[in-house]
Amino acid sequence: KQEVTQIPAALSVPEGENLVLNCSFTDSAIYNLQWFRQDPGKGLTSLLLIQSSQREQTSGRLNASLDKSSGRSTLYIAASQPGDSATYLCAVRGDYKLSFGAGTTVTVRA
Amino acid sequence: DTAVSQTPKYLVTQMGNDKSIKCEQNLGHDTMYWYKQDSKKFLKIMFSYNNKELIINETVPNRFSPKSPDKAHLNLHINSLELGDSAVYFCASSSQGGAYEQYFGPGTRLTVT
Repeated sequence: KQEVTQIPAALSVPEGENLVLNCSFTDSAIYNLQWFRQDPGKGLTSLLLIQSSQREQTSGRLNASLDKSSGRSTLYIAASQPGDSATYLCAVRGDYKLSFGAGTTVTVRA
Repeated sequence: DTAVSQTPKYLVTQMGNDKSIKCEQNLGHDTMYWYKQDSKKFLKIMFSYNNKELIINETVPNRFSPKSPDKAHLNLHINSLELGDSAVYFCASSSQGGAYEQYFGPGTRLTVT
């Protein structure tokens, strides 16, 4: 059974600081890994998807890396802004389904 | 343009009632999912349908019955609601081909009193 862990559970940083969010998973037999953002009371917004054959993906200020063999992914957010405050969820895809971590709640202080 | 939509957004009901949540996607995807997010914000898969066929049922009580009338719709019917069913339910969809990226609906907050 796939288990996904996200550390830290919460993070508070001043505006402008870079964010580093970690995700680990127990079963390396994955198809892909997806990072989502969830705002309070809202749905999930897909940020980045990394295929199992890829090492990283970038979108604007976001960069996600994947080390499948060690079961780890890291999401980097450069030059954080108050609008980046949200919960970030990591999910790994096995057969037909995503297994989610519990999320990292980020607060960026102005 | 709404990609994955759910109705209703909020649902408050009493124990023992039967309720349904509807989901529609206009992305042309062939696979749809139901997830439950509990009070601790942990998201867990409940069901997955591919081309209207059930492919995942994650030890969900029989009181929960998904129905897929066509590839664009996946509805969730819940019988004899219990307090523990209170949660946010998310619908999602993806394509079997390509990246398998999943797109989520806005969620339905179910409160059972």
